[in-house]
Amino acid sequence: DQQVKQNSPSLSVQEGRISILNCDYTNSMFDYFLWYKKYPAEGPTFLISISSIKDKNEDGRFTVFLNKSAKHLSLHIVPSQPGDSAVYFCAANPRNSGNTPLVFGKGTRLSVIA
Amino acid sequence: DTGVSQNPRHKITKRGQNVTFRCDPISEHNRLYWYRQTLGQGPEFLTYFQNEAQLEKSRLLSDRFSAERPKGSFSTLEIQRTEQGDSAMYLCASSSTDISGGGSSTDTQYFGPGTRLTVL
Repeated sequence: DQQVKQNSPSLSVQEGRISILNCDYTNSMFDYFLWYKKYPAEGPTFLISISSIKDKNEDGRFTVFLNKSAKHLSLHIVPSQPGDSAVYFCAANPRNSGNTPLVFGKGTRLSVIA
Repeated sequence: DTGVSQNPRHKITKRGQNVTFRCDPISEHNRLYWYRQTLGQGPEFLTYFQNEAQLEKSRLLSDRFSAERPKGSFSTLEIQRTEQGDSAMYLCASSSTDISGGGSSTDTQYFGPGTRLTVL
């Protein structure tokens, strides 16, 4: 059973518009969430994270929103740029329990069209 | 560049052969993780070390797999008697973890470029 779900395998957005990538989780023990970006033939690159004590974290063009009651988080990229085209992975772990391995979703492939 | 490095980047081997991968973490990171990623999936946890101690192993890590981190710095992952199902990208990540106050992890995991294994 998948504990972290990214239900949209792909997303296409026009350059300059907002990209919204969604992630749902089932394990209520998860209390730390991360987004990674991955280009082909490279390892995942950390983008942004959020702790369960917050509902929003912003870093430049990237904002992550967390809705704990719905067990849902989303990554907003605005404005989207062609260089943002990549696969985005949502990851989670129950860090406050000391359990640190990350559980990843299957990823969403974002294509930003110029 | 002081990021996580992995060698080799690509490995092609015949079924039944043994292979070994190396990971050099970000210096002074005390935790090192191995993940495996197959096509269309996210990375899946295999095992991790805190310094030289192997703290957890996934059920994905069959007895053909062994990992070491002998001096708490670099790590090796060996696969014996490779099978075609072992073909995947093997990813290493490291983090700097504050182990005081109950053992909670405080820092982000940073990944290397991966080793792509193809078993023929």
